[in-house]
Amino acid sequence: DTGVSQDPRHKITKRGQNVTFRCDPISEHNRLYWYRQTLGQGPEFLTYFQNEAQLEKSRLLSDRFSAERPKGSFSTLEIQRTEQGDSAMYLCASSLARGGGYEQYFGPGTRLTVT
Amino acid sequence: AQSVTQLDSQVPVFEEAPVELRCNYSSSVSVYLFWYVQYPNQGLQLLLKYLSGSTLVKGINGFEAEFNKSQTSFHLRKPSVHISDTAEYFCAVSMNYGGSQGNLIFGKGTKLSVKP
Repeated sequence: DTGVSQDPRHKITKRGQNVTFRCDPISEHNRLYWYRQTLGQGPEFLTYFQNEAQLEKSRLLSDRFSAERPKGSFSTLEIQRTEQGDSAMYLCASSLARGGGYEQYFGPGTRLTVT
Repeated sequence: AQSVTQLDSQVPVFEEAPVELRCNYSSSVSVYLFWYVQYPNQGLQLLLKYLSGSTLVKGINGFEAEFNKSQTSFHLRKPSVHISDTAEYFCAVSMNYGGSQGNLIFGKGTKLSVKP
């Protein structure tokens, strides 16, 4: 069990550029979650997948955000036309849908800075 | 809708003193309750969880929490803290969908600062 990994760990981009983040969950986990954490706040839910199906999206996920989990394994989160307000830590977590203690295991996060 | 309130944004405490970090939640449905810890520049690590059963739950690093349904609280406690406990602590809830978990809803966090 290598844990949840995220890539890149840090990303600096200019306003208006597109960025893509990757998350690799724990291999046997069928649920994958994306959260966003801004300074001084707790993580806020963005979206989650069960296998390859995207089951829920938060109202925080504007049209500029898109997430995929094409084969039910890794996931990508893309932000188009980035804005300064998108600067945050993007966290990925994985879990089993049932059982497994209901624990969500978090990755180290990708810190996005939009200049 | 569910919400989580962490009543203290910062808690300074001396080493070896006891500490309590407070958490209240609101929900109209059954929930699971969690405490996570976040060290600087790291992801979140689960400290403990309440799913059902005994209201006193024990976690890692000597932490424990008590679920109080009538007061809708889930306060975190440790009888004697160490410098290494300095971190940010998050209380979270998720809905219980008949045995399946929903997404986590977090409080704003409490920064615990342990001084020598």
